[in-house]
Amino acid sequence: EPEVTQTPSHQVTQMGQEVILRCVPISNHLYFYWYRQILGQKVEFLVSFYNNEISEKSEIFDDQFSVERPDGSNFTLKIRSTKLEDSAMYFCASSGGRGGTQEYFGPGTRLTVL
Amino acid sequence: GESVGLHLPTLSVQEGDNSIINCAYSNSASDYFIWYKQESGKGPQFIIDIRSNMDKRQGQRVTVLLNKTVKHLSLQIAATQPGDSAVYFCAEITSGSARQLTFGSGTQLTVLP
Repeated sequence: EPEVTQTPSHQVTQMGQEVILRCVPISNHLYFYWYRQILGQKVEFLVSFYNNEISEKSEIFDDQFSVERPDGSNFTLKIRSTKLEDSAMYFCASSGGRGGTQEYFGPGTRLTVL
Repeated sequence: GESVGLHLPTLSVQEGDNSIINCAYSNSASDYFIWYKQESGKGPQFIIDIRSNMDKRQGQRVTVLLNKTVKHLSLQIAATQPGDSAVYFCAEITSGSARQLTFGSGTQLTVLP
């Protein structure tokens, strides 16, 4: 069964540093998403991406965040200058279509900001 | 200040019993609902979904019930197994959104031997 993959599984960084989290969505999917989950809290939407542009973003997704699909297979989340409160699990997801089709989640990247 | 994580509701059931997990959603304009299972250290895994024009949908060992009047969703798991132990989240999607999932706070299900 096809699956979403994410690398690295765990990223440790110093406050103020830039990080790039990588995702390979399912190959024939068209919609891509990033979510985050702070330890012990619920999963929160960050951004959705379709047709090489952001479709929707939450208030969490401020100017420090950016997303990119640099080639036909990867989907990245960049945090320009990490803060302590960015420590969380970051999940990538993809779906084949808009509204009503199943989203498949990756295993997540645990980001620890020191 | 110190941030405090949410304390998840918990449900403990005996192996073989049925489980019922409840969720209250907030947006009356939501028209699509999904239940996810999340095991420790893993991403959410799709279990079952339901559209707002339905009030019940059945899958393999799972049933989702939707009551739009009181904005309530439930997940029933038949013959609960140890592998069902996980956190269960409901999520809603509002018509017109670019499929932005809004997750509930989750319920920790523990299956006792």
